[in-house]
Amino acid sequence: DSGVTQTPKHLITATGQRVTLRCSPRSGDLSVYWYQQSLDQGLQFLIQYYNGEERAKGNILERFSAQQFPDLHSELNLSSLELGDSALYFCASSRQGLSNQPQHFGDGTRLSIL
Amino acid sequence: DQQVKQNSPSLSVQEGRISILNCDYTNSMFDYFLWYKKYPAEGPTFLISISSIKDKNEDGRFTVFLNKSAKHLSLHIVPSQPGDSAVYFCAASARAGGTSYGKLTFGQGTILTVHP
Repeated sequence: DSGVTQTPKHLITATGQRVTLRCSPRSGDLSVYWYQQSLDQGLQFLIQYYNGEERAKGNILERFSAQQFPDLHSELNLSSLELGDSALYFCASSRQGLSNQPQHFGDGTRLSIL
Repeated sequence: DQQVKQNSPSLSVQEGRISILNCDYTNSMFDYFLWYKKYPAEGPTFLISISSIKDKNEDGRFTVFLNKSAKHLSLHIVPSQPGDSAVYFCAASARAGGTSYGKLTFGQGTILTVHP
């Protein structure tokens, strides 16, 4: 158990819809990351937050947004969903969000777009 | 552009023997490297890491070796156990322009199977 909690585990929805994925970091971790794993792409970095502030952005689509709240949990919002958004979405956390600190991953949310 | 590559999609090893998983990278700015293990329906689990100022780091049965000149790292598991059967990912991060943030770049993974 990494201590990172992601909900829901599975999400099935239709094209054009909007969903929210939630992540609670490990106790004491201030930084949260979101990654997308699709079948042909491997794990791809989306966005990082540190103590409520956006710190780094990867190839995150404009239809996607995220935030980190004062209690440090984070939400990833995906809107105008397309079939290609079907993937596993992982959240990870680290102590201070530095590049030389390991990240600990949750078990992911599997998003299926029908 | 795949900056971190694991060229072996799979590896099969006998229980008790050594497992060697390999990873190559192209970005010379990477200065911190990690190995993760992943079971089906679970998230990646952190195993071991190494900073670019070192060439070896050991933790129990797991040892990571870094060859900066060759831009190559490897994970040795000795002795291998059936419970080690999983997908192994190498990952790397870099300081960028004086800013230290933790974006990880992952390889595609290697499926390790340890036979009893």
